[in-house]
Amino acid sequence: NAGVTQTPKFQVLKTGQSMTLQCAQDMNHNSMYWYRQDPGMGLRLIYYSASEGTTDKGEVPNGYNVSRLNKREFSLRLESAAPSQTSVYFCASSEALLWLGVNQPQHFGDGTRLSIL
Amino acid sequence: ILNVEQSPQSLHVQEGDSTNFTCSFPSSNFYALHWYRWETAKSPEALFVMTLNGDEKKKGRISATLNTKEGYSYLYIKGSQPEDSATYLCAFGSGNTGKLIFGQGTTLQVKP
Repeated sequence: NAGVTQTPKFQVLKTGQSMTLQCAQDMNHNSMYWYRQDPGMGLRLIYYSASEGTTDKGEVPNGYNVSRLNKREFSLRLESAAPSQTSVYFCASSEALLWLGVNQPQHFGDGTRLSIL
Repeated sequence: ILNVEQSPQSLHVQEGDSTNFTCSFPSSNFYALHWYRWETAKSPEALFVMTLNGDEKKKGRISATLNTKEGYSYLYIKGSQPEDSATYLCAFGSGNTGKLIFGQGTTLQVKP
């Protein structure tokens, strides 16, 4: 059982380049999340999706776009990468439905370490 | 802006010591409090999800308590072992939004 799979694990970009981080889960979870983790900042929510076809902004959405094309996959796109987006990105999923909210644990992928020069 | 504070930021203990750390969160509009264990080079792993004031959860040597009226949760580790070395994150769920606000974590180092 793979759980939450993120690709790639590492990436180096130049300022202005674009890229998409991929995330897939095989647990039939409804909700999926993208976080970034920076030293001294903890995990900060970028975007989340409560169900297929819906997305919503988190705490730090600027500079990012997301797509939830099906129940399994939730991608994060950087349209024009900036050095401030150098970070470790985590995707997570949970069983939470809208009416269950946050009382379900989140399951995390192994992270994507992204450096922007 | 909702703030979730964890203390201490880091902790060094000897094998066999018992230890505890604190998560402070807003006492209004509480919905859930999560604890995660995050080992180096791995991904965060859920320990507990607590939703009721006075909740106590236990998993082996690790336990947690919850006080929603005053806005804090304690995580206890009894008889720490080197394999307990990790960063422990708490996360606050406000209302029925599906979103969590994470604290910065407490990093525990257990020396053999």
